[in-house]
Amino acid sequence: GAGVSQSPRYKVAKRGQDVALRCDPISGHVSLFWYQQALGQGPEFLTYFQNEAQLDKSGLPSDRFFAERPEGSVSTLKIQRTQQEDSAVYLCASSLDMTETQYFGPGTRLLVL
Amino acid sequence: DQQVKQNSPSLSVQEGRISILNCDYTNSMFDYFLWYKKYPAEGPTFLISISSIKDKNEDGRFTVFLNKSAKHLSLHIVPSQPGDSAVYFCAARVSGGSNYKLTFGKGTLLTVNP
Repeated sequence: GAGVSQSPRYKVAKRGQDVALRCDPISGHVSLFWYQQALGQGPEFLTYFQNEAQLDKSGLPSDRFFAERPEGSVSTLKIQRTQQEDSAVYLCASSLDMTETQYFGPGTRLLVL
Repeated sequence: DQQVKQNSPSLSVQEGRISILNCDYTNSMFDYFLWYKKYPAEGPTFLISISSIKDKNEDGRFTVFLNKSAKHLSLHIVPSQPGDSAVYFCAARVSGGSNYKLTFGKGTLLTVNP
């Protein structure tokens, strides 16, 4: 079946621009996670949804980062007024429920100039 | 402060030999561990996992060993194949509560030479 998909795959933004990154989880997966992976590092947790409820946003680096999953399926990660330090790969993962294995999408590579 | 550490940034082995990738953790609350494999420009792919109630889990060519007292786990790949060349991430989580987020190491780049 279809895996987790993310769009766009690559995004170049000028400093100060707003960006929106989309994640389509595996159908029927209740849990959805966002991670940020900087160059040479492992993925780091940003936020977590159970259906449409955002249960943990402790990993969001600043109030410029905002995530939503209004209908409990597709999720959008929005970054306002992007900064150069926001340049990273943003990974989305979904799981059947929170105790099950997380399956990752291909990521969106964001470059802020 | 890194709670999951992969101290070898890279490892090179010959095809057919054993690959051993190591991982250490500091958080004693971690009770479930996973290995993911990542090719360039792709997302991490789940390989194998182990619960803290076990000390070994095997799946085909892949075996994960857990030493809780040493807070150490390792992934063994036997025999290694060129297609195994990728970055391997160790990840850990705390079960219970309302969030099963994963904490990752920095990864080890495995190169299997033909």
